[in-house]
Amino acid sequence: KNEVEQSPQNLTAQEGEFITINCSYSVGISALHWLQQHPGGGIVSLFMLSSGKKKHGRLIATINIQEKHSSLHITASHPRDSAVYICAALHSGGGADGLTFGKGTHLIIQP
Amino acid sequence: NAGVTQTPKFRILKIGQSMTLQCTQDMNHNYMYWYRQDPGMGLKLIYYSVGAGITDKGEVPNGYNVSRSTTEDFPLRLELAAPSQTSVYFCASSYSQVGRSSGNTIYFGEGSWLTVV
Repeated sequence: KNEVEQSPQNLTAQEGEFITINCSYSVGISALHWLQQHPGGGIVSLFMLSSGKKKHGRLIATINIQEKHSSLHITASHPRDSAVYICAALHSGGGADGLTFGKGTHLIIQP
Repeated sequence: NAGVTQTPKFRILKIGQSMTLQCTQDMNHNYMYWYRQDPGMGLKLIYYSVGAGITDKGEVPNGYNVSRSTTEDFPLRLELAAPSQTSVYFCASSYSQVGRSSGNTIYFGEGSWLTVV
C-alpha cells in the first residue's frame, strides 16, 4: 500500500517569501498530482506530473522518481496563496481507485 | 462552465436517517468518484465508477451505496446515518484513469459538509 507523507503540516510565511512543500511516497508511481484546497473547501488540480518539472505562473512542481519525492514551490508568495496543498500519488499498479492522498499542508501567507 | 456540481452544501442528519448526496458533471467524463475528508486525514475513496452502469467499492464503502445510471450523475446514498459519517464529502470526475495520460486531470466538486447528530 502506498503511503504519502507531506511536510510541513502547517506553514506560515510572510508575503513575498519563497515557499516549498514536500511530498514523499513509498512505492513506485505513474503520476503525482498537486491539488489546492481553498478556504471555502473547493479542490482544484494544480499539476499532474510523472517526471521532471512543471511551471504555471508562480507555481513550480518537481518530481524525483528515483528518490520518490516531489516538491511544490511558490515564488513571490501572496496572501491569496493561503490554502491547503495536497499531493496525491497514483501508484503504478493502481486502477481507477489508485490515488493515495497526503494529509495536506496548511499554508498561511501573511501580508 | 459548471464542471462537477454536488448538492447539498451543508446538511445535518439525525442518527438513523438516510439521505442522498447528488453529483453531476457536464464534461462527459467516464470516471467518477466519491471521497470523504476527515479532519487531519487525507481524502479516502468511498466508491467509484468507470462508466454508466459500473460501480466499485473504494477504501471506505461501508454505510454507503451508489448508482450510475447515466454518464452525468453519480449519487451517493447514506443509509442509517451514524456519527462516524460526519465528514466532508467530495465528488470528482476524470475523463479516463487519472494520470494515465498527459492532461487527464481530476475535477472536484465544492464539497458537502455532513453532520450526523
